[in-house]
Amino acid sequence: GAGVSQSPSNKVTEKGKDVELRCDPISGHTALYWYRQSLGQGLEFLIYFQGNSAPDKSGLPSDRFSAERTGGSVSTLTIQRTQQEDSAVYLCASSVLETQYFGPGTRLLVL
Amino acid sequence: GQQLNQSPQSMFIQEGEDVSMNCTSSSIFNTWLWYKQDPGEGPVLLIALYKAGELTSNGRLTAQFGITRKDSFLNISASIPSDVGIYFCAVLSNFGNEKLTFGTGTRLTIIP
Repeated sequence: GAGVSQSPSNKVTEKGKDVELRCDPISGHTALYWYRQSLGQGLEFLIYFQGNSAPDKSGLPSDRFSAERTGGSVSTLTIQRTQQEDSAVYLCASSVLETQYFGPGTRLLVL
Repeated sequence: GQQLNQSPQSMFIQEGEDVSMNCTSSSIFNTWLWYKQDPGEGPVLLIALYKAGELTSNGRLTAQFGITRKDSFLNISASIPSDVGIYFCAVLSNFGNEKLTFGTGTRLTIIP
């Protein structure tokens, strides 16, 4: 498809386990963003990749969170030693100019 | 921390009514955006505003970028059932690629 895709769509994990969330951006989009949306809340910025530049990690809530973007395309957000407060929808977006196109998100539930 | 105040938090209206929501900030932003999020989906851009005082329409939607660059409103005329969802304002400090800062959203419900 032509849009941003994310996998898995839902993830249930136990507290303390690591999880990996994947984002496939729109082909040709140079910028990729990760946001977190807690229940009933707006979107909270996590990390931003632009081309080959160093990523903007200013939104990552703790050192348990990390992300990488391989080959300027697919990105993986990793959460280590998950906590219950990590439960949220994790949204990925890509853009070529100012319009960000969002994927459907990964719903993470930490038990 | 959160820089955008969006109101109202929720709205319950009847089909056919007009809707108005707004977003304010204590800081100046150069680009204001309005997104809509349907259940289980990511946000979709509705309207983008780039110039202070600008009034832009997209079908039944109208949005304005405040002259002070610290606020914006979104109006929906003659609401229909598919307007149900959560509406978010978002801002950029500059033009182009950068992280979005989102408001807390306005949940729109249409009463049958």
